[in-house]
Order: sequence, then structure tokens, then C-alpha cells
Amino acid sequence: AQKVTQAQTEISVVEKEDVTLDCVYETRDTTYYLFWYKQPPSGELVFLIRRNSFDEQNEISGRYSWNFQKSTSSFNFTITASQVVDSAVYFCALTSLSTQGGSEKLVFGKGTKLTVNP
Amino acid sequence: ETGVTQTPRHLVMGMTNKKSLKCEQHLGHNAMYWYKQSAKKPLELMFVYNFKEQTENNSVPSRFSPECPNSSHLFLHLHTLQPEDSALYLCASSQDLAGADTQYFGPGTRLTVL
Repeated sequence: AQKVTQAQTEISVVEKEDVTLDCVYETRDTTYYLFWYKQPPSGELVFLIRRNSFDEQNEISGRYSWNFQKSTSSFNFTITASQVVDSAVYFCALTSLSTQGGSEKLVFGKGTKLTVNP
Repeated sequence: ETGVTQTPRHLVMGMTNKKSLKCEQHLGHNAMYWYKQSAKKPLELMFVYNFKEQTENNSVPSRFSPECPNSSHLFLHLHTLQPEDSALYLCASSQDLAGADTQYFGPGTRLTVL
């Protein structure tokens, strides 16, 4: 069975601090895809990044960076110099291609609520 | 402008009412999804459609009835709901059902059942 664990339920930081959101996943498949989504108070889940299991290169996009480590089954997300607009719930998600050839459904973690205070 | 729209954004209904949620995607995708997001619980997949055909019903009670007339539109018909059905209902779409395809979400309908 597939599982995504986001152990941090809530995080509160002061603006300009760096913050890392943890994500640990479980899957038996060798081909899988990891995602991060942002859900601001408006409700819409905004896609941030997709990473496949064969690409362990870390990625940076502006103030956002992602650290994918297969050895620890983790896909952590760091926001550098956080801003008030970063306040949202962040979800990590996992899907995979099974050995039978089908796709597993997208499984979400419970989310981490990030509050950035001015 | 978002590629996936949902209406209404907010809905309050009594347990005996019948209402419908609408989702429309402007991304040219072939697969569409309904999710339920309740407080303190992970997102729950409800239904999946691919090329207008339902490919998954995740043990959803029959008081929720989906309809997909074409690849761009998805409806969720609601009748005789219970207060525990109050939640944020999210629609999503993806190019196809392949695991690599990213799902793009709409803003959701916040449903309150009295």
C-alpha cells in the first residue's frame, strides 16, 4: 500500500525565516511520482512540482527548493526567506506505476499548515 | 485564469434538498476527478472519469451521483445528504490516467449540510 506522511501538522515562522516541510513516502513500486501542492485559504490546490523516482536531482524555483532522497524515502520542501503570502496548507502526494502496468491513484499526506507572521 | 472552474463556490443545503455541483476544465484533458476534503482528514478520492467513462467509484454512497457528459464537464448530483457530508468538494483534471500526469484542481465548492 502507498502512504505519504507529513509529520508536521502546523508550523509557524516569522517573515524572512527559512522553513522546511517534511514528506516521507512509502511505495513498493520502482517507478513513482511525487508532487507538492499548495492550498491557500481560498481552497484551490495549486500544483508546485512533480518529480519522478529516477530523477534525484534537487530542484530550485525562486525561493522554493525540493530535496528528494530515495535512501530515506523523503521529498522535503524548503521555502527560503518566507513571506506572508506563503501562508497555506502544503500537501505532498504520491502515485506510481505498478508492476502490472496500471497506475495507482494519487495518495495525499494530511498536509502541513504553514503560517508566516509579519 | 484557472484552467479548472467550479460552481457554486459555496452551497448550503438541507438534508432533503437536491443540488448539483459543476466542474469545467479548459485544459483539453481527458480525465476528471471528484475529491472530498473534510476537516482533519486527507483528501479522499470519490470518482474518476476517463473519456467520459467512469473508471473508479471509491465506495461512495449513492446519495452522491456523478455525471460526465463530455471530457470538459463533470457534475456531482447531491440528494438526501447528511450533515457529515459537509466538506470542500474539489474537482481535478489530468491529461490522461497515467501516473505521471499531473492533476490540476479547481477552487472547490464548500458544502454545508444542515
